[in-house]
Amino acid sequence: KAGVTQTPRYLIKTRGQQVTLSCSPISGHRSVSWYQQTPGQGLQFLFEYFSETQRNKGNFPGRFSGRQFSNSRSEMNVSTLELGDSALYLCASSFGIRDGDTQYFGPGTRLTVL
Amino acid sequence: SQQGEEDPQALSIQEGENATMNCSYKTSINNLQWYRQNSGRGLVHLILIRSNEREKHSGRLRVTLDTSKKSSSLLITASRAADTASYFCATASGGSYIPTFGRGTSLIVHP
Repeated sequence: KAGVTQTPRYLIKTRGQQVTLSCSPISGHRSVSWYQQTPGQGLQFLFEYFSETQRNKGNFPGRFSGRQFSNSRSEMNVSTLELGDSALYLCASSFGIRDGDTQYFGPGTRLTVL
Repeated sequence: SQQGEEDPQALSIQEGENATMNCSYKTSINNLQWYRQNSGRGLVHLILIRSNEREKHSGRLRVTLDTSKKSSSLLITASRAADTASYFCATASGGSYIPTFGRGTSLIVHP
């Protein structure tokens, strides 16, 4: 069965621009989570969507938003990009029906903000 | 804040040696998972151990869980250069669908 896919894999933007990242989960998974990974802060949880609803949210500003479609695919948007938003953005999918379900990660999108 | 904290932060060994990484956490958990991340890529799930289990094996991996000490260890036996990666523990507490990740241990295995 196909794994989690993320597009694009690499992205270069300038400050002030906005960006949309896409994630396709494993077939049958209804939960999609987004993480930001940087050398300084490690792996930080952004938000989780389950059946098109945001179910959990991390501690990030409102510039970071997301949505999930009826086919469980998810998009993440970052508006008014800042230099500090440069990071590896990881998406993970799971069944999302019990505590601590195994997360299956995509390869990530490397975002560079200049 | 992160629930699990891995120790050591970095580990450098020779091929064939065993590698042991530890994870400590603060609150009671339902389960603990270990993941591996090769440089700049996504995380790969290695093993899940539930709070009522003490030890699990998967190939060359052995995970132990001591809930009284709120700690877990990951042992990789007979390490290979391909085991070079960062290893993360992730804990799940009651009512949380999302595991919380630690900062990871960077393992380098020299051929």
